[in-house]
Amino acid sequence: KAGVTQTPRYLIKTRGQQVTLSCSPISGHRSVSWYQQTPGQGLQFLFEYFSETQRNKGNFPGRFSGRQFSNSRSEMNVSTLELGDSALYLCASSIVGAAPTDTQYFGPGTRLTVL
Amino acid sequence: AQSVAQPEDQVNVAEGNPLTVKCTYSVSGNPYLFWYVQYPNRGLQFLLKYITGDNLVKGSYGFEAEFNKSQTSFHLKKPSALVSDSALYFCAVRDIGGGADGLTFGKGTHLIIQP
Repeated sequence: KAGVTQTPRYLIKTRGQQVTLSCSPISGHRSVSWYQQTPGQGLQFLFEYFSETQRNKGNFPGRFSGRQFSNSRSEMNVSTLELGDSALYLCASSIVGAAPTDTQYFGPGTRLTVL
Repeated sequence: AQSVAQPEDQVNVAEGNPLTVKCTYSVSGNPYLFWYVQYPNRGLQFLLKYITGDNLVKGSYGFEAEFNKSQTSFHLKKPSALVSDSALYFCAVRDIGGGADGLTFGKGTHLIIQP
């Protein structure tokens, strides 16, 4: 079974631009979560989608948004990019996500650099 | 609120020796605990999880973890370290009251296995 895939793997943008990242979950997984990883803040939860609905959201500004499609693929969008948005963005999929015991499987990440 | 602490930024172990990577947690309800490993420029790989039952959990690549409720700890162990085990290790938690909230991660521990 193929793992979680994320595209693109690397992105370079300038301040003020917006960016869209894509995630395809493991086949059969219906929950997709997004995380931001930075050297200073570590791994932080952004949001989680299930059945095309955002089910939970972390403590990030409204510039960070996402959506999920009927095939469970997900996109996240960051508008008005700031230098501090430079990070590795990780997507994780799980079967249903709601059970705390559900294991999340991570993709390789998208490395975003904001200049 | 749930939290995870990994008290050591770095652990150095000689190849062939046993290794331990420490993790302590704080949750309001029953803890669900996870260990992930990250290699350079890669996403997180799932190693093992504790849900309930036996306090010793066995996982991938010969790793195991010991859950200790009284000490609120979930230390990762391996009887004999390999150079290829060198990587960044993350402990994570979800508590039963967290529902579909994301995982809360520790800051990570760099494990360095010396030949």
